[in-house]
Amino acid sequence: DVKVTQSSRYLVKRTGEKVFLECVQDMDHENMFWYRQDPGLGLRLIYFSYDVKMKEKGDIPEGYSVSREKKERFSLILESASTNQTSMYLCASSDRARNSYEQYFGPGTRLTVT
Amino acid sequence: DQQVKQNSPSLSVQEGRISILNCDYTNSMFDYFLWYKKYPAEGPTFLISISSIKDKNEDGRFTVFLNKSAKHLSLHIVPSQPGDSAVYFCAASAWGAQKLVFGQGTRLTINP
Repeated sequence: DVKVTQSSRYLVKRTGEKVFLECVQDMDHENMFWYRQDPGLGLRLIYFSYDVKMKEKGDIPEGYSVSREKKERFSLILESASTNQTSMYLCASSDRARNSYEQYFGPGTRLTVT
Repeated sequence: DQQVKQNSPSLSVQEGRISILNCDYTNSMFDYFLWYKKYPAEGPTFLISISSIKDKNEDGRFTVFLNKSAKHLSLHIVPSQPGDSAVYFCAASAWGAQKLVFGQGTRLTINP
């Protein structure tokens, strides 16, 4: 059973703070993704990574960066949090070797920036 | 530019009846489609998928239909149960793209 875990379920940060969201998967998947979910906008891709130290911008990368130093771990960094980054953040992974489209999601982190 | 659209933000259905959720796409390169279900405070979970070489795929109470000429797919749930109340996301991918494009989601409520 694939398990994707995220470091926090709820997080409250102040404007201007640097924020780290951590994601770990235990199925040796090559691909990892960060999304944000907002009402009426669905899931929007922020960044994804298809291998260690590799990353590609998604649809809304502005204000975010990522780090993937180990295969199982993918971190999302908000360099200077702003109120418009208040959202639900979802991490996912998928099996690149099998060219599988199916992504497995973590439980999400509800981030509030005040 | 929204490549995958779910035009109904919400849908309310009586328990035992059929629920039909719709999804439209604009990118003709998409060749694989998935439906995800999401409960509050949980991550989305995969429900059912369909490849563009098929026009129908069934899994128990869930059936997905694909109309490539209309660039339209639909998810049928029959019979609907209270546990089906959730937000449903449609997603699409082009071959080899390794990433998914999601729709806005439809909130399904099953009334007893």
